[in-house]
Amino acid sequence: DIVMTQSPLSLPVNPGEPASISCKSSQTLLHSDGRNYLQWYLQRPGQSPQVLLHLGSIRASGVPDRFSGSGSGTEFTLRISRVEPEDVGIYYCMQNLQAPLTFGGGTKMEIK
Amino acid sequence: QVQLQESGPGLVKPSQTLSLTCTVSGGSISSGSYYWSWIRQPAGERLEWIGRIHTTRGTKYNPSLRSRVTISTDTSKNLFSLTLTSVTAADTAVYYCARGIEWSPPTYHLDSWGQGTPVTVSS
Repeated sequence: DIVMTQSPLSLPVNPGEPASISCKSSQTLLHSDGRNYLQWYLQRPGQSPQVLLHLGSIRASGVPDRFSGSGSGTEFTLRISRVEPEDVGIYYCMQNLQAPLTFGGGTKMEIK
Repeated sequence: QVQLQESGPGLVKPSQTLSLTCTVSGGSISSGSYYWSWIRQPAGERLEWIGRIHTTRGTKYNPSLRSRVTISTDTSKNLFSLTLTSVTAADTAVYYCARGIEWSPPTYHLDSWGQGTPVTVSS
């Protein structure tokens, strides 16, 4: 299985400030089609996860443009340009290059 | 807008079979190119993908569960189901159903999730 490792585990942020989360995979997520099969999800407190980005950097429908993704191969980053109070929760990266799909351990973002 | 709702017993005895259903509303389970999926999350642990079913591409399961898991659809009721046999305490988790949408083949992402249903395995 592809192992996904996230850092940091906890991320306190002031509203309006930027934030970034790292995700590393044990194998390359670069498909032969040239795309990275890496997704980001946010699980707000008491809610189900919701997709933020897929194919590494493509924002899902309705996701604000303050969320962006970068990286290729085995190292990826989720960036939030200006954190809003509603961005609190646990962020997960997930690879869908090969079954079983696997998730990172999560990064808990909270407002200072 | 599609909505998914899990249902099933909240408590299952060890060695018994866990059966959950996911009722889909706002869209047909048999139309489009969707991957109907199950994911679970034990308390304090990461999300674990259980498997998925596609109307034409069949099923795919997590190898760690393959011998015990079955995912199926009931198009007449517009739902899909999860069956997990020989459960143990390690199967205690919140179980989510989700829809995988094929934005650009062959990849898909999970764009709609149920609210999750907690399942405890205990005698």
